[in-house]
Amino acid sequence: EPEVTQTPSHQVTQMGQEVILRCVPISNHLYFYWYRQILGQKVEFLVSFYNNEISEKSEIFDDQFSVERPDGSNFTLKIRSTKLEDSAMYFCASSVPGGASGANVLTFGAGSRLTVL
Amino acid sequence: GNSVTQMEGPVTLSEEAFLTINCTYTATGYPSLFWYVQYPGEGLQLLLKATKADDKGSNKGFEATYRKETTSFHLEKGSVQVSDSAVYFCALKAARGTSYGKLTFGQGTILTVHP
Repeated sequence: EPEVTQTPSHQVTQMGQEVILRCVPISNHLYFYWYRQILGQKVEFLVSFYNNEISEKSEIFDDQFSVERPDGSNFTLKIRSTKLEDSAMYFCASSVPGGASGANVLTFGAGSRLTVL
Repeated sequence: GNSVTQMEGPVTLSEEAFLTINCTYTATGYPSLFWYVQYPGEGLQLLLKATKADDKGSNKGFEATYRKETTSFHLEKGSVQVSDSAVYFCALKAARGTSYGKLTFGQGTILTVHP
């Protein structure tokens, strides 16, 4: 069964450092997303991405965050200068093109745990 | 704004026990409702969904009915197995005004089933 893969599974970084989390979505999916879950809290939407641009972002997704699809397979989340409160599990997800009945059905990766010290 | 509230966990059951995990939501109109499950070390997987009032989603013995009058989407299973041990997330997709795939999640409920 096709799956979304994320790397690294766990990253430890110092406050102020840049971090890039990588995702390989399912090959025929065209919508891509990042979510995060701070320990003990809800899974929160960060950003959706379609046709090489952000289609929606939450208030959490400030100027410290950026997303990119640098090639035909990868989808990345960059945090420019990490803060302690960025420590969380980050989930990548993808879905089929909009308009299809499955457009709301997301396939998630296993997550990348980011620890900021 | 939209929100989802799940019953507090963790939930611990013996094998073959009946499971209910409560989920209520706040949203305008008719959102789509989902249950996702996360097994240890894996990503969130769609368990079932319902897109309109009175719809019943079902999968792997789990069921949930979209109740507009009580704004609820409770998850049930008649006889749980050890392999059902996981974290369960209730989620909604707003009826309009948001992009595809923008889900609002509950806090998740940890289920542990003992033999």
